[in-house]
Amino acid sequence: DVKVTQSSRYLVKRTGEKVFLECVQDMDHENMFWYRQDPGLGLRLIYFSYDVKMKEKGDIPEGYSVSREKKERFSLILESASTNQTSMYLCASSLISRVTSTGARDTQYFGPGTRLTVL
Amino acid sequence: AQTVTQSQPEMSVQEAETVTLSCTYDTSESNYYLFWYKQPPSRQMILVIRQEAYKQQNATENRFSVNFQKAAKSFSLKISDSQLGDTAMYFCAFMNNNDMRFGAGTRLTVKP
Repeated sequence: DVKVTQSSRYLVKRTGEKVFLECVQDMDHENMFWYRQDPGLGLRLIYFSYDVKMKEKGDIPEGYSVSREKKERFSLILESASTNQTSMYLCASSLISRVTSTGARDTQYFGPGTRLTVL
Repeated sequence: AQTVTQSQPEMSVQEAETVTLSCTYDTSESNYYLFWYKQPPSRQMILVIRQEAYKQQNATENRFSVNFQKAAKSFSLKISDSQLGDTAMYFCAFMNNNDMRFGAGTRLTVKP
């Protein structure tokens, strides 16, 4: 079974602090993703990475950065946390599918989430 | 840009009955994947079922089945013989290459 873990389930930080959210997957997946989940908005993609040291902006990258130094680990960084970044953060990973005619990526597997509160 | 719409924010169903969750999407692509994910209260999001757009046959997974209407861009989830453990948020998702889009979710409550 794929296992995606996140460093914290709950986190409370103060405005202006630098925040690190860690995600680790154990299935040698090439793609990794960071989403934030807010009520009524579903999941919105912040950043994704398709290889070590590679990253792509998602829909809402402002205020965030990411780091992928090793294949299994993908970190989300809030450089200066703000109250509007209070949210649930979900990490996901997927294996590039090389066999489908669509060239689409495979199923995403999610971590348990980190509920971040910024005071 | 692709969009996914779940028009039912909340639904409830009696245990052992059948419920259908709606999902529509908008895309100009012809090849893509569709998913239903389940997120139980305070638990991890897990895949329920997936459908490849180039397959005409509707996907099924035990008590879960989909009604995929490609022309109508509709992808509903049917849960048969509902169980208390089916209580969760359900998210419909669309994927094409690196673009993954989620609906806002439907909160399903199964009542004893």
